[in-house]
Amino acid sequence: DTGVSQDPRHKITKRGQNVTFRCDPISEHNRLYWYRQTLGQGPEFLTYFQNEAQLEKSRLLSDRFSAERPKGSFSTLEIQRTEQGDSAMYLCASSTPGTSRYEQYFGPGTRLTVT
Amino acid sequence: SQKIEQNSEALNIQEGKTATLTCNYTNYSPAYLQWYRQDPGRGPVFLLLIRENEKEKRKERLKVTFDTTLKQSLFHITASQPADSATYLCALEGSGGGADGLTFGKGTHLIIQP
Repeated sequence: DTGVSQDPRHKITKRGQNVTFRCDPISEHNRLYWYRQTLGQGPEFLTYFQNEAQLEKSRLLSDRFSAERPKGSFSTLEIQRTEQGDSAMYLCASSTPGTSRYEQYFGPGTRLTVT
Repeated sequence: SQKIEQNSEALNIQEGKTATLTCNYTNYSPAYLQWYRQDPGRGPVFLLLIRENEKEKRKERLKVTFDTTLKQSLFHITASQPADSATYLCALEGSGGGADGLTFGKGTHLIIQP
């Protein structure tokens, strides 16, 4: 399968714990995005990488959130000291350089439940 | 502040009819607008992108219009089928411009009844 993959698909954690999610984009895509989606809402942008450089961060990305893309390939999103309000679907997307760069291809998401 | 509005109530359409979904936006001057489909428990799937200088775009049974004066896009599915049932999301480029983060509406849940 050559689509965007995310791991794990589901994560249940206790409040205060740290969690880390991984995203593997489509191999030739140099742009990678993280979004958060809660029930009944559209995805909300969190952050964006072009290759290994983090170019944009939303104000939603508090100090407890950090994202990396060390070699310009896969990316990780870490949430420290999780809170119940962090419960959501975390989506990763990637896009290709060139004329189709605005089209984003999403992974299946990681559903986080904080108890 | 920037706002995207979609009819968040479910839209019920009889199979074979044309479904029309609306996306309105305020405090925005987007260079392009996109439509995505999302099925329960899955990530959104890109459908169509329309640029500000395009009035209409088609792809198979899908048609999108973009009226920058009205600040509105209409998304049409002709000859609708039960398999078209899903949530459809409208998305605009982020405030930073360029190929960066998208801002999504809440989506419209479309139900095609046999």
